[in-house]
Amino acid sequence: AQSVAQPEDQVNVAEGNPLTVKCTYSVSGNPYLFWYVQYPNRGLQFLLKYITGDNLVKGSYGFEAEFNKSQTSFHLKKPSALVSDSALYFCAVRDLDSNYQLIWGAGTKLIIKP
Amino acid sequence: KAGVTQTPRYLIKTRGQQVTLSCSPISGHRSVSWYQQTPGQGLQFLFEYFSETQRNKGNFPGRFSGRQFSNSRSEMNVSTLELGDSALYLCASSLGQGVDGGYTFGSGTRLTVV
Repeated sequence: AQSVAQPEDQVNVAEGNPLTVKCTYSVSGNPYLFWYVQYPNRGLQFLLKYITGDNLVKGSYGFEAEFNKSQTSFHLKKPSALVSDSALYFCAVRDLDSNYQLIWGAGTKLIIKP
Repeated sequence: KAGVTQTPRYLIKTRGQQVTLSCSPISGHRSVSWYQQTPGQGLQFLFEYFSETQRNKGNFPGRFSGRQFSNSRSEMNVSTLELGDSALYLCASSLGQGVDGGYTFGSGTRLTVV
């Protein structure tokens, strides 16, 4: 079965430090992978995606993610965290065997401390 | 251009009642998906519509139903409300069938069942 895991419920980072939010996946074929961010009382916003090509994907707000096929991971990264990056982050994988339904991770709460 | 509009933003209902939530997608978008978000269960997929046809359905009881109109606007209905239906209901639209994950989310409808 297709699945995506975000092993950390919460990640705490000091402002200015690099941040990583982890995501691993399991699919039968080639994955389509996505990151979304949710700010309090708002809907989700698209950050970036990996479909094919370069393993390092750049997205909105200075975020990037690295696709690692051997480790089946798609970790979200940012070189220097901002307090305004504090939010809930969701990883998702496209299930090609289920009529393209998106499978979502449980979400990781990112807290950036000044 | 206008984003995804969900109405109402907040709703309080009593157990046993029914409720209808509305979603107006971005102009030109033909796909609409619905999600239930709760602190304990995370983001749960309800159903997806494309050109008035339901393409995918999540694992929710038959009390949860939806439809899409010819102008791509969508409604979801929950009958015989239960306390556990209290959640943030999110709608997302995409231009095509959403294969590339390019969903735009609305801000959601916060439903409280008392």
